[in-house]
This record gives sequence, structure tokens and C-alpha cells, in this order.
Amino acid sequence: AQKITQTQPGMFVQEKEAVTLDCTYDTSDPSYGLFWYKQPSSGEMIFLIYQGSYDQQNATEGRYSLNFQKARKSANLVISASQLGDSAMYFCAMREYNAGNNRKLIWGLGTSLAVNP
Amino acid sequence: NAGVTQTPKFQVLKTGQSMTLQCAQDMNHEYMSWYRQDPGMGLRLIHYSVGAGITDQGEVPNGYNVSRSTTEDFPLRLLSAAPSQTSVYFCASSVTGAFRYGYTFGSGTRLTVV
Repeated sequence: AQKITQTQPGMFVQEKEAVTLDCTYDTSDPSYGLFWYKQPSSGEMIFLIYQGSYDQQNATEGRYSLNFQKARKSANLVISASQLGDSAMYFCAMREYNAGNNRKLIWGLGTSLAVNP
Repeated sequence: NAGVTQTPKFQVLKTGQSMTLQCAQDMNHEYMSWYRQDPGMGLRLIHYSVGAGITDQGEVPNGYNVSRSTTEDFPLRLLSAAPSQTSVYFCASSVTGAFRYGYTFGSGTRLTVV
């Protein structure tokens, strides 16, 4: 069963507008972390933001915020004031902290975001 | 600070050839790992290491070997390349407990096996 679901294969947003990228997850581990990564066309993986399952507040990092709804098992990424450089693939990933020593990240299939001028 | 350095960036191999993908980090991270990225499959863990001298298998280890003789280096060896190993390979590292800093990824190696 897929543990990370990103239902939007592609998204478009106008420059300077906000955009929400969806991520839902499935786990029975009470202790987990959720990550968002950006992969531009150049190919590297850039860490954006982290949310722990016990964090009381939604994570924020500059223009990135994470809308964490634990009961709904969703961890949506919000990008405010989109810029042309935000055009990229965005991946949601999860680590289950009681799943053993491998510290594996479980990945969604990504959302391709295009920012229009 | 160089972070995680992967070499080469691109490689074409013939079926049956062997090669080593290099990964080095200068952040003193004890954890290092290799992922492969395939369309429609996401990223999958190949092998990982929690410290020098300690390695273990991930989800898709077949056809790959690793070793960790130093904290800094974690090479991935393809023993006998197959077309199914055509993929983009990422090395990633992290430090214990500092989850908020995420995993640091290298820039990737795009491997084609013909």
C-alpha cells in the first residue's frame, strides 16, 4: 500500500500567487517525520521543510509552510508569493522512527509545479 | 562546505560491466545511504550505513555492493551492470537526531546501461 500519496501530478500557478501542494500519508507509527524536497530540472534534491508528528505548530521556512493536519494524515506544502525559480518537481517524504535502523525515507511520486510569469 | 559530493554525474555502461559510484561528505554525518530514482517508482533505498564499518541492505539491494571504511566515503558498486539498473542514483547523509535539517543529498549520478 502506498504510504505517501501526492494526487497532483502537475500544477500551474501565476507568479506572486500562493500555491498548495497536497500530500497525504499512511502510517501506524505514532512517531514519524514528514519532509518536503524540491527537485529542479538540474536534478539535485533540495530539502525545504520538516514536520515532526509531535510538533504542536505547523513548520515554516521562509516562503514555505507546511499545513499539517494529523487527524486527516495530510501534510500539504504551501508556497507563498511564487517565483519563477519555484518551477520544479516537489516530493513529499516520510520517515517512521520506529521502523528500524535504516532511517528510510518513503517517497511520494511528486508534483510538477510550473510558475507562469 | 561542499556537503555531499557524487561522482561521476553521468555514466554510460555496457551490460555486464562493473563500476563504482563515489559519494563523499564533509559534514561528519554518521548516516549515509544510496537511493535510486525511477519514473513512476519514486526513490527507493538501496543500501545504507549508520557508521564506519557498518552497512546494511535497503529495499532494492540486488546487484549492488557498498562498503564504509571511513565516515566520509560511501561508494556504491555495480557488480555486473544490467539495463534494469538504468536510473538516477542519489547519495544522502544525515546526522542523528537533527531531523529538522533533513537529509542532505548529492547532485545525483545519471546512469545508463546499454
